Amino acid sequence: GAGVSQTPSNKVTEKGKYVELRCDPISGHTALYWYRQSLGQGPEFLIYFQGTGAADDSGLPNDRFFAVRPEGSVSTLKIQRTERGDSAVYLCASSLLGGGGEQFFGPGTRLTVL
Amino acid sequence: GQQLNQSPQSMFIQEGEDVSMNCTSSSIFNTWLWYKQDPGEGPVLLIALYKAGELTSNGRLTAQFGITRKDSFLNISASIPSDVGIYFCAGPGGETSGSRLTFGEGTQLTVNP
Repeated sequence: GAGVSQTPSNKVTEKGKYVELRCDPISGHTALYWYRQSLGQGPEFLIYFQGTGAADDSGLPNDRFFAVRPEGSVSTLKIQRTERGDSAVYLCASSLLGGGGEQFFGPGTRLTVL
Repeated sequence: GQQLNQSPQSMFIQEGEDVSMNCTSSSIFNTWLWYKQDPGEGPVLLIALYKAGELTSNGRLTAQFGITRKDSFLNISASIPSDVGIYFCAGPGGETSGSRLTFGEGTQLTVNP
């Protein structure tokens, strides 16, 4: 079956602009995660959804970052007033139930803020 | 917060050689996951470990969950050029961290044909 998909694969924007990144998890997976990966680093946790609700958003760096999952499937990560430091690869993962089980990652969206 | 320390940071080996890398933590993990990441791709799950002392194989890969629950190692036998990539260990950590994964900084593997 299809894996986790993310769109766009690349996004270039200007400082101060608003961006939306989309994640389509594996069908039937109730848990969805967003991570951010900077060059030479491992992924860092941003937010975790169980169904439609954000179960843990403690990894969001500030209030410019927000994510939704209105129907418990597709999720959108929204970044307002982008800054150059937001440039990174944004990874989405899903798992069947959550709770620390195996997470399956999408290919990521590479965000570049000029 | 929780941290995972991976070593070595990078390895340069000849095709056919065996490889060993490890991951240590200052806190206990209940699950250890090993991922491989190729350039421009997301991490791909290789092996999942759920019990202290567990030894699990996946083809030429073997991973162990340390008895203390604070470490894990990954071995690759008879390396081939497509083993090139970055290997990450990860774990969901203790009760306060819920389902988030904490990742190590990765081991960059280069295999010379």
